[in-house]
Amino acid sequence: QKEVEQNSGPLSVPEGAIASLNCTYSDRGSQSFFWYRQYSGKSPELIMSIYSNGDKEDGRFTAQLNKASQYVSLLIRDSQPSDSATYLCAVNYQGGKLIFGQGTELSVKP
Amino acid sequence: SQTIHQWPATLVQPVGSPLSLECTVEGTSNPNLYWYRQAAGRGLQLLFYSVGIGQISSEVPQNLSASRPQDRQFILSSKKLLLSDSGFYLCAWSVLSSGANVLTFGAGSRLTVL
Repeated sequence: QKEVEQNSGPLSVPEGAIASLNCTYSDRGSQSFFWYRQYSGKSPELIMSIYSNGDKEDGRFTAQLNKASQYVSLLIRDSQPSDSATYLCAVNYQGGKLIFGQGTELSVKP
Repeated sequence: SQTIHQWPATLVQPVGSPLSLECTVEGTSNPNLYWYRQAAGRGLQLLFYSVGIGQISSEVPQNLSASRPQDRQFILSSKKLLLSDSGFYLCAWSVLSSGANVLTFGAGSRLTVL
């Protein structure tokens, strides 16, 4: 089993819809989880972090964490064409390593 | 504020040639430093990370090496490049925030090996 798994996509949603991105991880001891956004040809930028079970909201973004199921998700409400990018899930492993999933490509159609 | 610099931004190298990518961080002390590689259309693969001067952990066997000669300087090297070394190399730094390592990336170095 891969350490961090994501559906590679592409995920296509119409403008204004909710985009749902999912991620599972293998280490039950992990405590910190992150979502990064990467535009084509650019470096990743942090958009959300979550450390406790439940939901965390920041503007149009909501991160959801379920440690029992080893599952993290990111919801993007009112999706905009500017949200089109690859979204990377990342998990802190022992020793401070941050392990990334392969990323989900999101395309928001006008 | 903290900034991270990475260079060169782009390079094209022949197979068998050496490599040196450099990364420096400003505005912080004793950061954790990381080198990741991203192959075309793929996720980020952790290559090396360092928690202090001279302390380097290697994540995958390869023909690359890393060094940290100064607190805020991280260098990625190779003596002889392979075609498979092509990719987007990202340096990152982190500090503990709320008990978690939060990474910030440099702009990246795009390497093409021919």
